[in-house]
Amino acid sequence: EIVLTQSPGTLSLSPGERATLSCRASQSVSSSFLAWYQQRPGQAPRLLIYGASSRATGIPDRFSGSGSGTDFTLTITRLEPEDFAVYYCHHYGSSPYTFGQGTRLEI
Amino acid sequence: QVQLVQSGAEVKKPGASVKVSCKASGYTFTNYGISWVRQAPGQGLEWMGWISPYNGNTDYAQKLQGRVTMTTHTSTSTAYMELRSLRSDDTAVYYCAISRATGWRDWGQGTLVTVSS
Repeated sequence: EIVLTQSPGTLSLSPGERATLSCRASQSVSSSFLAWYQQRPGQAPRLLIYGASSRATGIPDRFSGSGSGTDFTLTITRLEPEDFAVYYCHHYGSSPYTFGQGTRLEI
Repeated sequence: QVQLVQSGAEVKKPGASVKVSCKASGYTFTNYGISWVRQAPGQGLEWMGWISPYNGNTDYAQKLQGRVTMTTHTSTSTAYMELRSLRSDDTAVYYCAISRATGWRDWGQGTLVTVSS
């Protein structure tokens, strides 16, 4: 099973700042099947990035993804108030699919 | 537009079973697999398994093998997830999601299952 470890656990920033979230896999992951989700309280996860770097439909361009192999990054430039939420990385290329434990982005 | 509508909240006693439904609309149901994901209170996301509505093939998370069954009813475009021998640590919000290669964009609204004596 591929274990995804996200860091930091909590990231405290202010609106307008830049956020860099990390996701490290226990073994190499196909970039084609690495995604990032945002989850706000009481809501289902929202797909932000798939294929490590492709933005999902309707996602603002301040969200970007990068990385390959075992190290992946989600970058949010110019944080907006609605960006403060929990973010998960997810690999879905081979079973069992797994999620990182999440990074809480707080003001 | 694509929509996944799940059944309502459930309260169950330990040892009981629960069956959650996920009704799909807005796309061809047999074109994509459905995954089930759960989230315990204050915790992260846990993949439970996957089913192909096309041929009924399933793939379950090892820790749930023997307790979970996923099925589909293609005539009503509905997926089901049944979990048996419920324990308190099965208390969670259960989600269905369309498993596309281009990311899991479409999710149900979630179903809260509470296991309590």
